[in-house]
Amino acid sequence: KQEVTQIPAALSVPEGENLVLNCSFTDSAIYNLQWFRQDPGKGLTSLLLIQSSQREQTSGRLNASLDKSSGRSTLYIAASQPGDSATYLCAALTGNQFYFGTGTSLTVIP
Amino acid sequence: SQTIHQWPATLVQPVGSPLSLECTVEGTSNPNLYWYRQAAGRGLQLLFYSVGIGQISSEVPQNLSASRPQDRQFILSSKKLLLSDSGFYLCAWSVPGLAGSTDTQYFGPGTRLTVL
Repeated sequence: KQEVTQIPAALSVPEGENLVLNCSFTDSAIYNLQWFRQDPGKGLTSLLLIQSSQREQTSGRLNASLDKSSGRSTLYIAASQPGDSATYLCAALTGNQFYFGTGTSLTVIP
Repeated sequence: SQTIHQWPATLVQPVGSPLSLECTVEGTSNPNLYWYRQAAGRGLQLLFYSVGIGQISSEVPQNLSASRPQDRQFILSSKKLLLSDSGFYLCAWSVPGLAGSTDTQYFGPGTRLTVL
């Protein structure tokens, strides 16, 4: 069964810093790897989707990479802003199921 | 455009009471529908998913059930709530038949359930 792990569980950075969130998965037979954002008490919003044949995807200040062979994905956030404060979850689509990590809670300090 | 609704937004129920959470999707036909539970400090746990009316697959729970009486309506129920049922319940949908590298899920706003 696919297992998805995210490190660190929580991260606090000053505004303007670049940062990296990590996601690892045990089964490399994935269709895609996605990163979601969750604000407190809210649902999930999709940020980036990397197909299994791709290495990375970019959207604005966000860049996500995928290394299937090593079972890893990273989410890079450039020039962090207080509005980036949220929980970030990664999910691996394996078979017909999405397997989610426990998330990284990010706080960007003004 | 597609929209997904969940209600209620917040619910406080005593142990042993029944539960009914509703999810509806607008703007798409025959979606795949999902119920997840998110407990404090834990990831999303898939509870049920459905590929069509009356078709429900159960992943984990013992005292929860799900039904899909209409194409775009998904209901999560319990006859008797347990303390361990407390959590944040999320409904999601995905495009039918799109299994593969571009498949994604769209989430509702969630229901915060507290069982006392």
